[in-house]
Amino acid sequence: AQRVTQPEKLLSVFKGAPVELKCNYSYSGSPELFWYVQYSRQRLQLLLRHISRESIKGFTADLNKGETSFHLKKPFAQEEDSAMYYCALSNAGNMLTFGGGTRLMVKP
Amino acid sequence: DTAVSQTPKYLVTQMGNDKSIKCEQNLGHDTMYWYKQDSKKFLKIMFSYNNKELIINETVPNRFSPKSPDKAHLNLHINSLELGDSAVYFCASSHRTGDYTFGSGTRLTVV
Repeated sequence: AQRVTQPEKLLSVFKGAPVELKCNYSYSGSPELFWYVQYSRQRLQLLLRHISRESIKGFTADLNKGETSFHLKKPFAQEEDSAMYYCALSNAGNMLTFGGGTRLMVKP
Repeated sequence: DTAVSQTPKYLVTQMGNDKSIKCEQNLGHDTMYWYKQDSKKFLKIMFSYNNKELIINETVPNRFSPKSPDKAHLNLHINSLELGDSAVYFCASSHRTGDYTFGSGTRLTVV
């Protein structure tokens, strides 16, 4: 069975500080991993996917198969980054399993 | 143009009632989904549906049923509503693996 774990429910940092949102997964196949973000009163939207190896809004995430992790990082947090962040894993049937979510609060 | 639209945005109803939430997507995606987000913000898949296959999360009570009149619509019917059904329900659609477009959600409150 596939599982996605986000150990932190809440992460609070000051503006300009580095941020890392942790995500660990378990999956027997070859994983496809994603980060989704939900800003206040907005719909859930795709932030980035591991196969693209892209940086979106300054965020990056590297898939580490040895540690089964896909942590989301940003070197300098901004207040507008405050949101709920969900790590997600896609199975062969294209169904996303989400982690429990981490609320990021960036304080001024 | 809203890509994935859900109606209504808010729904307050009494226990025991039957209600429906509608979802429409204009993206031409093949697959649509329903997710439930509980009070702790945990997102759980309820259904996945394309024109060939309906996949049901086995933990979803059979009071919940998806109905798809055509490829662009996936409605959610709920019978005999219970207090524990109160949540935000999200519809989504996808064409490419993992790249979902979500609706804005329907906040259901059962009183």
